[in-house]
Amino acid sequence: EIVMTQSPATLSVSPGEGATLSCRASQSVNTNLAWYQQKPGQPPRLLIYGASTRATGIPARFSGSGSGTEFTLTISSLQSEDFAVYYCQQYKTWPPDSFGQGTKLEIK
Amino acid sequence: QVQLQQSGPGLVQPSQTLSLTCAISGDSVSSNSAAWNWIRQSPSRGLEWLGRTYYRSKWYGDYGASVRSRIAINPDTSKNQFSLHLSSVSPEDTAVYYCARYTSSGWFFDFWGQGILVTVSS
Repeated sequence: EIVMTQSPATLSVSPGEGATLSCRASQSVNTNLAWYQQKPGQPPRLLIYGASTRATGIPARFSGSGSGTEFTLTISSLQSEDFAVYYCQQYKTWPPDSFGQGTKLEIK
Repeated sequence: QVQLQQSGPGLVQPSQTLSLTCAISGDSVSSNSAAWNWIRQSPSRGLEWLGRTYYRSKWYGDYGASVRSRIAINPDTSKNQFSLHLSSVSPEDTAVYYCARYTSSGWFFDFWGQGILVTVSS
């Protein structure tokens, strides 16, 4: 079983600033890594897949990087609608239930 | 644009069966390149994949280990939807339940239903 660990648990950032969220896998997942954004009362929304490919309609201020066991989601110039919880998920191994515990991005 | 619309009760009594439906628009439950999943989310378990149904010349289903003995996911081609049935529920099954799709691009979920909070309580 691959365990996904996200850090930090909570990140406080001011609007207009950038944010960097981390996700670590307990073993290599190559680039089989997705990022999701979840706002209260809504389902997760796919942001990034393949570690660095933005999903359809996702703004360019969201970018993903990494491979193997270390991954990063970077959000440049935070907008008010970006404050949410972010999850990573590995999909190298079956079943697809290896989600991180989430990083809450809050307004500073 | 794919849309998934969930329906079903928000309250289920202990030991009963939880049943939810996910209606698909913009794709087909019989697609040869998609799979249709149920995922739940709770504070204690986080995001937990429950199972899937998919069609590849015939119907297949796979289920998560934690619920395998009491779950069924069934397609309904006449209504282009699929359903979740979870039997013998307990308060530990209280969660927000989502349906979601993944495609042949990988086992990541590109479209989700709106979610239904199901509470197991008498």
